[in-house]
Amino acid sequence: EPEVTQTPSHQVTQMGQEVILRCVPISNHLYFYWYRQILGQKVEFLVSFYNNEISEKSEIFDDQFSVERPDGSNFTLKIRSTKLEDSAMYFCASRDRGSYEQYFGPGTRLTVT
Amino acid sequence: AQSVTQPDIHITVSEGASLELRCNYSYGATPYLFWYVQSPGQGLQLLLKYFSGDTLVQGIKGFEAEFKRSQSSFNLRKPSVHWSDAAEYFCAVGATGNKLVFGAGTILRVKS
Repeated sequence: EPEVTQTPSHQVTQMGQEVILRCVPISNHLYFYWYRQILGQKVEFLVSFYNNEISEKSEIFDDQFSVERPDGSNFTLKIRSTKLEDSAMYFCASRDRGSYEQYFGPGTRLTVT
Repeated sequence: AQSVTQPDIHITVSEGASLELRCNYSYGATPYLFWYVQSPGQGLQLLLKYFSGDTLVQGIKGFEAEFKRSQSSFNLRKPSVHWSDAAEYFCAVGATGNKLVFGAGTILRVKS
């Protein structure tokens, strides 16, 4: 069964450093999403992406964040200058056209020290 | 704005007992509703979904949920809980732009 994959599973970085979180969505899916879950809190929407542009972003997704689909398979989330409060589990999700069902990856745990 | 409320932060049930996890949503139109399960350190697995039609939907692992428009609810049920069901359960509504809005989650503990 096709699945969304994410790398790395755990990333530790120092405050102020740039990080790139990588996702490989399901191959025929067209809509891509990033969510995050701070430890002990609910899953929050960050950004949605379709047709090589951002469809919608939350207020969390400020100028420090960016997304990119650099090739036909990867979908990345970049945080330019990490802060302590960026420590969270980041989930990538994808869905097909005509379906409302989002498939989630296993997540990347980001720890900012 | 769309929102989801899961009133129970923790629930403990005995193995073999029945389970009901509550979910209330706020959404102006006909909602798309989902239940996801998350085991410790794992990702989100879709249990079941409601888009339209029959208000009682069946999912994986023996779970079912009932959509009640009059109560704005989408409660998750299972007739007999297994120890492996211990996890955190999230209710979500598909909101404008098709992003998902999640509830705060309910942690299920199963005692033997």
